[in-house]
Amino acid sequence: DAKTTQPTSMDCAEGRAANLPCNHSTISGNEYVYWYRQIHSQGPQYIIHGLKNNETNEMASLIITEDRKSSTLILPHATLRDTAVYYCIVRVNTNAGKSTFGDGTTLTVKP
Amino acid sequence: GAVVSQHPSRVICKSGTSVKIECRSLDFQATTMFWYRQFPKQSLMLMATSNEGSKATYEQGVEKDKFLINHASLTLSTLTVTSAHPEDSSFYICSARGRLAHLYNEQFFGPGTRLTVL
Repeated sequence: DAKTTQPTSMDCAEGRAANLPCNHSTISGNEYVYWYRQIHSQGPQYIIHGLKNNETNEMASLIITEDRKSSTLILPHATLRDTAVYYCIVRVNTNAGKSTFGDGTTLTVKP
Repeated sequence: GAVVSQHPSRVICKSGTSVKIECRSLDFQATTMFWYRQFPKQSLMLMATSNEGSKATYEQGVEKDKFLINHASLTLSTLTVTSAHPEDSSFYICSARGRLAHLYNEQFFGPGTRLTVL
């Protein structure tokens, strides 16, 4: 599975959009981009995933560049409860696929 | 989304004893389960992958005789830490991937088990 690179930490003002970048320059054609987050002392929570098209759900939007070498997770209106470590993962969508976690981005939402 | 539970949520044991952690998929059948370990201020590290009815596949550096994994059914996997020592103290997290098509892409995580070995 391809590796990802994320900034170590980011701050965001409450109510503003949080844009979390992820680089995955070695992504393969059959690998999906997944985003999870982990609030302190809890298990990771699935947020969103995509292959090449932009995706949106009730939690967030995922923007994937045309060359698929990077992506951005957007939390449109960040709240204090969105403070967490956000992980960007790339993996295949088969039985062989497994999520390998990097260091993630610690997002701190400030009042 | 699908729910994965773990039991116990916290366990404290004496050095040299064995501890079993259960991971259950509550509302879906899990063809594959994963076990992770997380030390303080670090990321999750994949320990092993198990498919129902098959032996687990361990990541490099993980001792299979120390961390026994059993995936006997489509809803239950267990991790047994044998002869636990203080350095095994960690946050253990399981994850399950579903059999149904609309769940197949997603990997659901349990709430984690905090193991403290005295």
